[in-house]
Amino acid sequence: KNEVEQSPQNLTAQEGEFITINCSYSVGISALHWLQQHPGGGIVSLFMLSSGKKKHGRLIATINIQEKHSSLHITASHPRDSAVYICAVRVGAQKLVFGQGTRLTINP
Amino acid sequence: KAGVTQTPRYLIKTRGQQVTLSCSPISGHRSVSWYQQTPGQGLQFLFEYFSETQRNKGNFPGRFSGRQFSNSRSEMNVSTLELGDSALYLCASSLVGSGNTEAFFGQGTRLTVV
Repeated sequence: KNEVEQSPQNLTAQEGEFITINCSYSVGISALHWLQQHPGGGIVSLFMLSSGKKKHGRLIATINIQEKHSSLHITASHPRDSAVYICAVRVGAQKLVFGQGTRLTINP
Repeated sequence: KAGVTQTPRYLIKTRGQQVTLSCSPISGHRSVSWYQQTPGQGLQFLFEYFSETQRNKGNFPGRFSGRQFSNSRSEMNVSTLELGDSALYLCASSLVGSGNTEAFFGQGTRLTVV
């Protein structure tokens, strides 16, 4: 079993829909990151969380440390949100362990 | 403020050769981590350097090595390349690379081994 599990693996939605991507982990962590990767490879860090909730524009990330679970929400989704979203947890101070990613496609 | 810069962006090498990839972190960042991304294994941690010292290493063979210079720039080297080493290699920099410090990623170097 992977230390970080994301669901769903693939998600297709219509423009404007509310999107939720889930991440569960089984190890002790010091922080959790949500990352976005567009075709071509570059990764952008969206959020870093150690507790609670963060919001940036249409993106919201939450984490429940007791349940070892985090969610990334996208409100009013847009085709430009189409990308792979990756959950990563910081384990043992310096090491990031990654989920397999969620491929999101938003159709106009 | 310039972001994390990786060079080269693309590279084609032959089996058995060796390759060196470079990562220049954001100015002031002292931690550089390296990751390998393949379709089958996803993103995996290679190693992390802080102030020229390797602090942590992932589960990769000794053919994968790295170093960090006094200006925090880092290089990773892969010797005796194998077809399975074809991957996107990403580096990330952060201020101190621990706890709640945010990581900033480069665009990656796409290595193809033929």
